[in-house]
Amino acid sequence: GEDVEQSLFLSVREGDSSVINCTYTDSSSTYLYWYKQEPGAGLQLLTYIFSNMDMKQDQRLTVLLNKKDKHLSLRIADTQTGDSAIYFCAEYGARTGNQFYFGTGTSLTVIP
Amino acid sequence: DGGITQSPKYLFRKEGQNVTLSCEQNLNHDAMYWYRQDPGQGLRLIYYSQIVNDFQKGDIAEGYSVSREKKESFPLTVTSAQKNPTAFYLCASRDSSYEQYFGPGTRLTVT
Repeated sequence: GEDVEQSLFLSVREGDSSVINCTYTDSSSTYLYWYKQEPGAGLQLLTYIFSNMDMKQDQRLTVLLNKKDKHLSLRIADTQTGDSAIYFCAEYGARTGNQFYFGTGTSLTVIP
Repeated sequence: DGGITQSPKYLFRKEGQNVTLSCEQNLNHDAMYWYRQDPGQGLRLIYYSQIVNDFQKGDIAEGYSVSREKKESFPLTVTSAQKNPTAFYLCASRDSSYEQYFGPGTRLTVT
């Protein structure tokens, strides 16, 4: 399998920004994704970025892509308690065939 | 409402029994996927199907089987050959823009 790496835990105070980081494996990956999973639920697609982009912003979410270092980050502005969840990055591209490869997930805890 | 349904949400079985997990989608997606999730780990791909009557093994297919007789349905059978079947199972489908959508999951407990 492929190794997409993420830190396991992150804690932030409500109102602060959260930055979740991911290192992926395939520099030719076409699509890179961020998903959110709440306890006992499936994954919810938050946003994704094409590999020919450096940044994508969607309301409180900002995705940054550094292709040289194969590094992807998700910034959540004005983090709320409802943002507490596990966040997964994933990649999809030529080398992965028709498969998505997921990181281990980062558990975000927002402290009121 | 369009979406992916998985049933049941919780499933309990005795060791040695086969069990089939249901996955249905009304999104008209060609591609469907089955993943397994264990605590502290990411999702691992069991099987995927790009089109009706065709499916491919993922990284951890041993002890599992699937069928894809209809576009809407992609059931997963956990056989008695699967050594550690207790896990959270997630079904997903993918659209033509490479966005993947997930069902709510089935938690299988085998004792």
